[in-house]
Order: sequence, then C-alpha cells, then structure tokens
Amino acid sequence: GEDVEQSLFLSVREGDSSVINCTYTDSSSTYLYWYKQEPGAGLQLLTYIFSNMDMKQDQRLTVLLNKKDKHLSLRIADTQTGDSAIYFCAETPYGQNFVFGPGTRLSVLP
Amino acid sequence: GAGVSQTPSNKVTEKGKYVELRCDPISGHTALYWYRQSLGQGPEFLIYFQGTGAADDSGLPNDRFFAVRPEGSVSTLKIQRTERGDSAVYLCASSLTGSTEAFFGQGTRLTVV
Repeated sequence: GEDVEQSLFLSVREGDSSVINCTYTDSSSTYLYWYKQEPGAGLQLLTYIFSNMDMKQDQRLTVLLNKKDKHLSLRIADTQTGDSAIYFCAETPYGQNFVFGPGTRLSVLP
Repeated sequence: GAGVSQTPSNKVTEKGKYVELRCDPISGHTALYWYRQSLGQGPEFLIYFQGTGAADDSGLPNDRFFAVRPEGSVSTLKIQRTERGDSAVYLCASSLTGSTEAFFGQGTRLTVV
C-alpha cells in the first residue's frame, strides 16, 4: 500500500535554511505536494511538483524530487518565525486523493 | 463563498449519539473530499465526491460513517453511534476537477465524551 514518511521534528535558527524530507512509496503519483498547517488552521498548499521534474523553485521554497529513491524535500531559505508550523508531504497515488505523511513540526528559534 | 466553510467549528457529543458535519465548498468546485486528522497525525482520506456521487469511499472506516452531497455542492458527513475513537478534526477540501490544487477548510473538531 501507499505510505508517506517524514521526520516528526525540526528546529532551526531564524535566518538559517530548513530542509524537510519525505519518502513516499507510490511511483505512479503524478504530483507531489507540500502543505503547511499552522495551529488551529486548515491546510494551506505551499507548492507542488510534477513527477517528471526534479526541482522546482518558488521564492524562498525549493522542492527537490528524486524519483528513483522516492525522496522529496522542501528547502525553506532564510527561515522566519512565521514559518513555524507543521509541514505535510502528500502524494496522489490515485490521481485525486491525497495520501499525507505524518507531518514535520518546524520550530524556528530566534 | 471565498473559501471552504465547515460547520460547526467544534462539536462535543456523547458516546452513542449521532452527529452531522457540514462542508460548503468553493462555488463551482466539482470535487469534494473529506479527511480525518487525529492528534499528531497527518490527514487520513475518508471519501471523495465528483459532483453528486461518491467516486471513492474506500477510506470510510466502517458503516457508521456516511456522507452525502445531494446537489453537488454542500456535503454532510454523518456519523452514527459515535465512539470516543471518532474524536478528531474532520477536514473538508474542494477543487476543480483535474486541478492540482485542493483548498481545505478550517475543519470541525469533534470530541466524543
């Protein structure tokens, strides 16, 4: 079956880069996603990458995809306190439904 | 509306009672999803609607859970004979068919006591 794994916690200093990693199992996913969830809020789409790409950059966010190893990462440059949240990696093995990882809680220290 | 709206935002119910959770998707969005998020975990898929019909209900945990979308817009998730293990945040999302982006509501926090 499909399974998405992430490390549960990450702490970084303000101004440093954060790298959040994810591994997934289903190679048929057309898109892979990163969602952000702030306390008490719903999920906010941060970025996504098409499965035939290996990198996508969007302002402070860089997504790297290693399809051979089924590894996805999200790099946040110049991390700010406002970036503190839970970050979810998600795949779409059935084309529409999302399979989410457990989330990585990012703490940004001043 | 401007976004996906879920009501109520919080619901406390007694074990064994029946509850209904409502989702108002973004106007014009044909696809609607329900997810359940337990504390400290990622959202878990429950059911997906395309228009009025349930295209995939494989995530519903048992026959106490049921969802409808009779007119292809508003959806109601219904839980019968609630159990303490049903306590979670229930998230709804909507999207245009074929779109890469799904928009999530704020969720309904269900607590079964």
